[in-house]
Amino acid sequence: NAGVIQTPRHKVTGKGQEATLWCEPISGHSAVFWYRQTIVQGLEFLTYFRNQAPIDDSGMPKERFSAQMPNQSHSTLKIQSTQPQDSAVYLCASSTGGQDTQYFGPGTRLLVL
Amino acid sequence: GDQVEQSPSALSLHEGTGSALRCNFTTTMRAVQWFRKNSRGSLINLFYLASGTKENGRLKSAFDSKERYSTLHIRDAQLEDSGTYFCAAETGGYKVVFGSGTRLLVSP
Repeated sequence: NAGVIQTPRHKVTGKGQEATLWCEPISGHSAVFWYRQTIVQGLEFLTYFRNQAPIDDSGMPKERFSAQMPNQSHSTLKIQSTQPQDSAVYLCASSTGGQDTQYFGPGTRLLVL
Repeated sequence: GDQVEQSPSALSLHEGTGSALRCNFTTTMRAVQWFRKNSRGSLINLFYLASGTKENGRLKSAFDSKERYSTLHIRDAQLEDSGTYFCAAETGGYKVVFGSGTRLLVSP
């Protein structure tokens, strides 16, 4: 079991460019969560999928951020027109259900210059 | 909103000693999870509790939903225990609210 896989591990983009982050949940897990970690805010919930369906995106910034889960084996978090304040570690986690132990990936460190 | 207060923010221990980390919750939480962030930045699961206590080696965790707190006890600390520890509480649905972390440094 490889655990939750996130790619890339590091990404540097210029201001205004698009960034797409990938997450592969643990096989058999039906719930996928996205979080963001910054020094200022700590760990913040962004969005949650259950059986590929979006359940709650209340933590997502209203503009420029979107997440999808086109199949059970991966989810993407897309940030359009990236800004320096988007710089953070983006964490993906999966679980067998919405209320079970969450297993975290190693994160993607995004730096927007 | 729902909040988790984690303390202490930083902790220094000598090898072989022990201490406790604590998270207080502003509301009733359904469950709590404890993590350690390792040197590579990965969040390592330590415990998941819906109630009571769990023990694993030199670590022991307790969760009291009614009293709104959880603790993580470390005994006989080793150098490799150094890292940042987080508690994360489930709010009753699926959302997880994280504590601010405790930076633990174990020295010889």
